[in-house]
Amino acid sequence: SAVISQKPSRDICQRGTSLTIQCQVDSQVTMMFWYRQQPGQSLTLIATANQGSEATYESGFVIDKFPISRPNLTFSTLTVSNMSPEDSSIYLCSVFAGPQNTEAFFGQGTRLTVV
Amino acid sequence: AQKVTQAQTEISVVEKEDVTLDCVYETRDTTYYLFWYKQPPSGELVFLIRRNSFDEQNEISGRYSWNFQKSTSSFNFTITASQVVDSAVYFCALSEKGGNKLVFGAGTILRVKS
Repeated sequence: SAVISQKPSRDICQRGTSLTIQCQVDSQVTMMFWYRQQPGQSLTLIATANQGSEATYESGFVIDKFPISRPNLTFSTLTVSNMSPEDSSIYLCSVFAGPQNTEAFFGQGTRLTVV
Repeated sequence: AQKVTQAQTEISVVEKEDVTLDCVYETRDTTYYLFWYKQPPSGELVFLIRRNSFDEQNEISGRYSWNFQKSTSSFNFTITASQVVDSAVYFCALSEKGGNKLVFGAGTILRVKS
């Protein structure tokens, strides 16, 4: 299994500022995934972070808005840049672990409110 | 492309009723994994089950049961004798091969009234 520690758990931020979310895993994993869940909506993948290479972004998400770091196999950060109220969401990081890396684990999420 | 459809936006039941949440998926891969998660109002995702494409056996865990049918590309979830604590949003998700991203359905809001 994998235990994921995500920080902060929640924050209220002013528009125009940036917030960096941290995700720490208790085991080494190849890929880390960042999801966004807008209010009342489902989870949407923002990007996949591989150690040692640039993150792969999904359609509709760009690196300038959501820069990601992946300095080692247990840690990643997601920054939400130049925030607007539309960025108010829950952000979650996720990894696969377990047999054949088929079990998906999630952090507890970061509940972001932009005012 | 992979896709998950949860056609039921919201379901309301009275405590002790049985309820089934539907999930239909699309994938071109022969190897894939299906998941169900529960999201209570606190926001965290609670893992309920993982099923791989080669195992069509139904599974029962307490009041929860899952019916996986490849012929209809469905992976439905039934709660027997529902309780108020079952009230949450339930998500079905699909991952192709192993260790790939999850694609989520829209979710079903379950409200269990006492």
